[in-house]
Amino acid sequence: NAGVTQTPKFQVLKTGQSMTLQCAQDMNHEYMSWYRQDPGMGLRLIHYSVGAGITDQGEVPNGYNVSRSTTEDFPLRLLSAAPSQTSVYFCASSYTEMNTEAFFGQGTRLTVV
Amino acid sequence: GESVGLHLPTLSVQEGDNSIINCAYSNSASDYFIWYKQESGKGPQFIIDIRSNMDKRQGQRVTVLLNKTVKHLSLQIAATQPGDSAVYFCAENLSGGYNKLIFGAGTRLAVHP
Repeated sequence: NAGVTQTPKFQVLKTGQSMTLQCAQDMNHEYMSWYRQDPGMGLRLIHYSVGAGITDQGEVPNGYNVSRSTTEDFPLRLLSAAPSQTSVYFCASSYTEMNTEAFFGQGTRLTVV
Repeated sequence: GESVGLHLPTLSVQEGDNSIINCAYSNSASDYFIWYKQESGKGPQFIIDIRSNMDKRQGQRVTVLLNKTVKHLSLQIAATQPGDSAVYFCAENLSGGYNKLIFGAGTRLAVHP
């Protein structure tokens, strides 16, 4: 099994551009989430989904959209990139929303110039 | 790969010694407390969790202690090995159902031969 796969690994955007960070898991997990990680800070929850067709906001949702059309995929969209969105983004999944063991992808380093 | 924060507190230990990583949390309503390990270039990896009604839990070479009176969590690693070198995060799983992990800023563990 591949686990949680994120693409791309690195991305540079210009301010105002939009893009989608991809996340896919092959473990049939119901719960998926997106975090951002900034220097000196822990991971902060952006959006999460408890199953296909259901999404909700986390701690820092502004500037990001998500959708969950299938169990496997949970893409994160940046609508209009800003330098403040420069960060490392991690996608995670767990069997259900009650499981504390989350499986993380390798991350996407995004730089907005 | 992806790197973690550059200005984290660092704990330096000799190989074979025991390590103790500490964490202070803020939310008394958390159901679970969890420790994650993040190696350079990788996403966080689940180590162990402890439910809020427990004060100690042991795993393989690791022990987590929870002191709710002073809102303190610690991770003890026995016979620390070079492979234990990583950044360690504590996280709280807020009560109320959905798996909203609130992460601490992290501690870097450096193991020296």
